[in-house]
Amino acid sequence: QVQLQESGPGLVKPSQTLSLTCTVSGDAISSPGAYYWSWLRQSPGKGPEWIGYIYHSGSTYRNPSLESRVTISVDTSKNQFSLKLTSVTAADTAVYYCARVNGYFDVWGQGTLVTVSS
Amino acid sequence: EIVLTQFPATLSLSPGESATLSCRASQSVGTYLAWYQQRPGQAPRLLISDASTRATGIPARFSGSGSGTDFTLTISSLEPEDFAVYYCQQRNWPPSWTFGQGTKVEIK
Repeated sequence: QVQLQESGPGLVKPSQTLSLTCTVSGDAISSPGAYYWSWLRQSPGKGPEWIGYIYHSGSTYRNPSLESRVTISVDTSKNQFSLKLTSVTAADTAVYYCARVNGYFDVWGQGTLVTVSS
Repeated sequence: EIVLTQFPATLSLSPGESATLSCRASQSVGTYLAWYQQRPGQAPRLLISDASTRATGIPARFSGSGSGTDFTLTISSLEPEDFAVYYCQQRNWPPSWTFGQGTKVEIK
């Protein structure tokens, strides 16, 4: 069965760039199908927030509220996709999840806490 | 942006009772709505897609209904593992997908 695992620094300084990678196992990102691969985040006590998604071809779609700071990329040779969020502030502190999109978010990684602090 | 409002914020019930959770959208989403369960320290888990279709492996005590702007998740007889937070989520097009703020189902 497909599994997703986030990795990256747990602490990022204000104004710097947050970088995370999601490694997919049990399925190939580039396999034919209608799956998209997505990033989400969740601040304490709040509902999840969708950040954006990428298709194996490299086409992306980002949340309009974060679009100017978000880059999502894919490396099919490593079966990974990545997130970069620039100019971070304390408001970007959250648990970040990667997830598969099969219409909805049907498979999730366990999440990784990223704290923005000096 | 489509805003999803969930109510009540908290539902206090006993095992064996039924739970009715509501989700209201600020504009019509058709039936493009999902429900998720989140237990403490875990990622959300997809329960219901397209308003009423149970996801793979989800017990029959979970059911969803609604269309347009008003949706309901019903849990027919609460099991101990069902006490958790539940979120609704819409998938409009072009994507600006949003979640509700959640309903916590707690043990009375």
